[in-house]
Amino acid sequence: QVQLQESGPGLVKPSETLSLTCNVSGGSISSYHWSWIRQSPGKGLEWIGWIGDIYYSGSTNYNPSLKSRVTISVDTSKNQFSLKLRSVTAADTAVYYCARNVGLSQFDPWGQGTLVTVSS
Amino acid sequence: SYELTQPPSVSVSPGQTASITCSGDKLGDKYACWYQQKPGQSPVLVIYQDTKRPSGIPERFSGSNSGNTATLTISGTQAMDEADYYCQAWDSTTVVFGGGTKLTVL
Repeated sequence: QVQLQESGPGLVKPSETLSLTCNVSGGSISSYHWSWIRQSPGKGLEWIGWIGDIYYSGSTNYNPSLKSRVTISVDTSKNQFSLKLRSVTAADTAVYYCARNVGLSQFDPWGQGTLVTVSS
Repeated sequence: SYELTQPPSVSVSPGQTASITCSGDKLGDKYACWYQQKPGQSPVLVIYQDTKRPSGIPERFSGSNSGNTATLTISGTQAMDEADYYCQAWDSTTVVFGGGTKLTVL
């Protein structure tokens, strides 16, 4: 079955760019849609954005509140997709999850999550 | 922007039925999903497309969605069901999560 694993720096300085990668195993990345979701400490889930499958030509859609700072991309050769969040502040400190988006409906499965702390 | 509202907490006695609601404008016109999240773990899908259970999810989990409210029902609640539960829906091309409900089994 499909499994996801996030990777990237656990500490990012304010004003810099947060970069994370999600490695997909057990299935082709081209066949599904993919999303990034985050959860600030002790808070709820916040959707960051989505990248479509091959039939959507890899189109993207982002949370309006983050749209100006976010880029999600896919590397089909590595079966990975990535998140870049620019100009981070302490408010971007969160556990970041990658997830498969099935049929523009549910998210399943999710990665284990990775904590990113924004601090100098 | 579209919003989904959940009660912050729900309590239930073991063996009883727990109901967690999720409210949003014309939510019944959209598909609702539900996720269970235990401390230190990733969310797990328990209900999708309003009423469907993924394989491996116990039959005691069920869902409904009509009007402005989606409901997650856990019948015969067990101690292991104690967790945070989040509803989720798509509003046009964006995803919205409810604020989450902490289910306490006591």
